[in-house]
Amino acid sequence: GQNIDQPTEMTATEGAIVQINCTYQTSGFNGLFWYQQHAGEAPTFLSYNVLDGLEEKGRFSSFLSRSKGYSYLLLKELQMKDSASYLCAGSTYSGNTPLVFGKGTRLSVIA
Amino acid sequence: DAGVIQSPRHEVTEMGQEVTLRCKPISGHNSLFWYRQTMMRGLELLIYFNNNVPIDDSGMPEDRFSAKMPNASFSTLKIQPSEPRDSAVYFCASRGRDYNEQFFGPGTRLTVL
Repeated sequence: GQNIDQPTEMTATEGAIVQINCTYQTSGFNGLFWYQQHAGEAPTFLSYNVLDGLEEKGRFSSFLSRSKGYSYLLLKELQMKDSASYLCAGSTYSGNTPLVFGKGTRLSVIA
Repeated sequence: DAGVIQSPRHEVTEMGQEVTLRCKPISGHNSLFWYRQTMMRGLELLIYFNNNVPIDDSGMPEDRFSAKMPNASFSTLKIQPSEPRDSAVYFCASRGRDYNEQFFGPGTRLTVL
């Protein structure tokens, strides 16, 4: 089966750091994606983790623990434009199968 | 590359009418996915194609929904007859053979009155 869980909403202050967690139970798990989706727009790719550990890309970092079925997205130096939904998605080894998406975490950045 | 192209971007129709959504995947991509997104249910996979062949349509909610991919550069999602509960944003996404990442189109916002 496939199951992705993440918090529904989070609020954080401009300039701060926020961590968005994601737990997954995915048969044949291969890797973990994070997508960003602004209101009224399409999801866009942020990061992809296959190996355990932290991947850093500018203000955004993503972590994966395969043994714990756990990932997080870390956003530093928050800006107002970071207000968006963040979708966690799992991929499998089975060739061209679709990503399994969580319902997304709606992040509000406040002044 | 223009990315995934969807049309129309917005569609308002009345209950009972037929609705056709269109998608052009990124050139060279061999997998195409149709999703529906609502506040309550999030992003739901409806159907996906590999090499123009439908692989899994278990997410299609009812027989009123159908999808086709007549060639590698075009797919349609049809709802007939449409109902108010079909109101949602419908996304098309494509993926290349050597990638795991799915690229999303801008979506079609469907409102059924």
